[in-house]
Amino acid sequence: NAGVMQNPRHLVRRRGQEARLRCSPMKGHSHVYWYRQLPEEGLKFMVYLQKENIIDESGMPKERFSAEFPKEGPSILRIQQVVRGDSAAYFCASSPSRDPEAFFGQGTRLTVV
Amino acid sequence: GNSVTQMEGPVTLSEEAFLTINCTYTATGYPSLFWYVQYPGEGLQLLLKATKADDKGSNKGFEATYRKETTSFHLEKGSVQVSDSAVYFCALSDKRNDYKLSFGAGTTVTVRA
Repeated sequence: NAGVMQNPRHLVRRRGQEARLRCSPMKGHSHVYWYRQLPEEGLKFMVYLQKENIIDESGMPKERFSAEFPKEGPSILRIQQVVRGDSAAYFCASSPSRDPEAFFGQGTRLTVV
Repeated sequence: GNSVTQMEGPVTLSEEAFLTINCTYTATGYPSLFWYVQYPGEGLQLLLKATKADDKGSNKGFEATYRKETTSFHLEKGSVQVSDSAVYFCALSDKRNDYKLSFGAGTTVTVRA
């Protein structure tokens, strides 16, 4: 049973470009969570999704950020018009039900130049 | 709001040394407490947890006790190995939003042979 898969592992974008981060949850998991880790800080909750639904997006910046988890395919975290401050590690986690004991992916490290 | 403060690293130890990583928290009510570990090149994985006061979580020789009076959840291991080299994260979730984890900044531990 493969773990949570995130890709790409590393992503470099120029300021103003779009970043698309993908997360394939573990088999049988329909709950996905995204976290962001800024340099020297702990992981911060961004959004919680179930298939086709956003349950809690209280940690998402109001502008430029969006997330989806379609019926088929991976969950996508999309950042439009990236700025240097978006440089961070973005972690995805999944679980079979609503649960803090989720399984985490290896993260995507976004660098904005 | 909820917050977690953990000991700053990096921490470097020799094999068979005693390891302690301090973690204190601020939360409303009685949260559940967790330690996650991230080995090099891997995602975060749950190491141990405790869900109520005086509970002791343990796994792989690591232990942590939920201390309500000192709002702490310190991680300890009596004899570390090189394979324990990793980043350790203390985290909590509260009962109201039990899927949402609040993390500390992480402590990097390096064990030398």
